[in-house]
Amino acid sequence: DTAVSQTPKYLVTQMGNDKSIKCEQNLGHDTMYWYKQDSKKFLKIMFSYNNKELIINETVPNRFSPKSPDKAHLNLHINSLELGDSAVYFCASSQEGRQGRHQIRNSNQPQHFGDGTRLSIL
Amino acid sequence: QKEVEQDPGPLSVPEGAIVSLNCTYSNSAFQYFMWYRQYSRKGPELLMYTYSSGNKEDGRFTAQVDKSSKYISLFIRDSQPSDSATYLCAMSIMYSGGGADGLTFGKGTHLIIQP
Repeated sequence: DTAVSQTPKYLVTQMGNDKSIKCEQNLGHDTMYWYKQDSKKFLKIMFSYNNKELIINETVPNRFSPKSPDKAHLNLHINSLELGDSAVYFCASSQEGRQGRHQIRNSNQPQHFGDGTRLSIL
Repeated sequence: QKEVEQDPGPLSVPEGAIVSLNCTYSNSAFQYFMWYRQYSRKGPELLMYTYSSGNKEDGRFTAQVDKSSKYISLFIRDSQPSDSATYLCAMSIMYSGGGADGLTFGKGTHLIIQP
């Protein structure tokens, strides 16, 4: 069974369209992430989502919006797609050790990644 | 200066050689250090995960962290052609006030093991 799965694997669409990418994890993790890998293979965090708390990378345009129906899913919706949005988008998940609002030292668990969604804008 | 520096390569070595991959970083707040392996058209796969300075060994892989020098390394012993991939270093900060922390990645080193 795939631990972190994304759909679709490939997405080809035209500029100006709205599209969604779905992510599901079956690891029981409480935190999920979206990363963007550009043409130079550089991976950069876009969002993290934990117990309904969304941390947004301030450089991400507001055309991108993550939506989490439950702890196991974090979907990425993109409005008005632009040429520069062409990239590979990776979903990841991890278990964050917490007591209330605070992380427990040494308790962070590493992030596990899906195989990516290759988005091409025509 | 970028937060995490990693030589993109390619690094080409003969089968059986010891491989050394390195990253330097500038942010002393980084506390967790990881090495991921990424094959073409696949997601990053976790290889090693460390918190403290020192060495951690797992099979043919050894991760080394030197926080005082802000330098991390991954050594691969008895390298195999199947080790050919892109190796990404990654690190994160531990928050104490809530909020999940994304990873900061190096650009990855493309490694080629020649049979």
